[in-house]
Amino acid sequence: AQKITQTQPGMFVQEKEAVTLDCTYDTSDQSYGLFWYKQPSSGEMIFLIYQGSYDEQNATEGRYSLNFQKARKSANLVISASQLGDSAMYFCAMRPPGDNFNKFYFGSGTKLNVKP
Amino acid sequence: NAGVTQTPKFQVLKTGQSMTLQCAQDMNHNSMYWYRQDPGMGLRLIYYSASEGTTDKGEVPNGYNVSRLNKREFSLRLESAAPSQTSVYFCASNPGGRAFLTETQYFGPGTRLLVL
Repeated sequence: AQKITQTQPGMFVQEKEAVTLDCTYDTSDQSYGLFWYKQPSSGEMIFLIYQGSYDEQNATEGRYSLNFQKARKSANLVISASQLGDSAMYFCAMRPPGDNFNKFYFGSGTKLNVKP
Repeated sequence: NAGVTQTPKFQVLKTGQSMTLQCAQDMNHNSMYWYRQDPGMGLRLIYYSASEGTTDKGEVPNGYNVSRLNKREFSLRLESAAPSQTSVYFCASNPGGRAFLTETQYFGPGTRLLVL
């Protein structure tokens, strides 16, 4: 199975500051997709951003951007100008290529707390 | 558009009891998934169905069975519940197929299961 590692179980950030959530992955494949999800305390899973392994530019969606370093096998999520509503669990996930492309593998998550 | 719906929202079982978790999607998606979420472990894939009529094991299939009843519905059955199956269960769907590799999964609201 592919391995996704999120090394920060919990993080704090001051409101209006930027924060980076780490995600590394282990795969020998060259073609894959990386996703980030947000899970607020209410429990639903919210899709944030996608990065394809062959995308030349880092993905951005509003205040979310992905710092993708393929050689280092990392896909860190950057949240700019943090807001109180950003307090949540954040999950990194990978969709592998080949015959396993229907599977998604998730990291263990990072709990982000935004302080006022 | 309801998206992905799950029933029940919450269930308490005694060890050895059986139950079926129901999931339905109205997005005409081909692929459907069952995950369990445990503290500190992220989401782990139990079973998935790449298309109507097919099912495959994920990372943690032991103790579970699934049925892809039709294109809309994908149920998860616990034949003899154990305390280790206490978890939050998420159903998800995705268009499926190689033409939709960049497409995210869409999640249901989750089912909280407590096995005593």
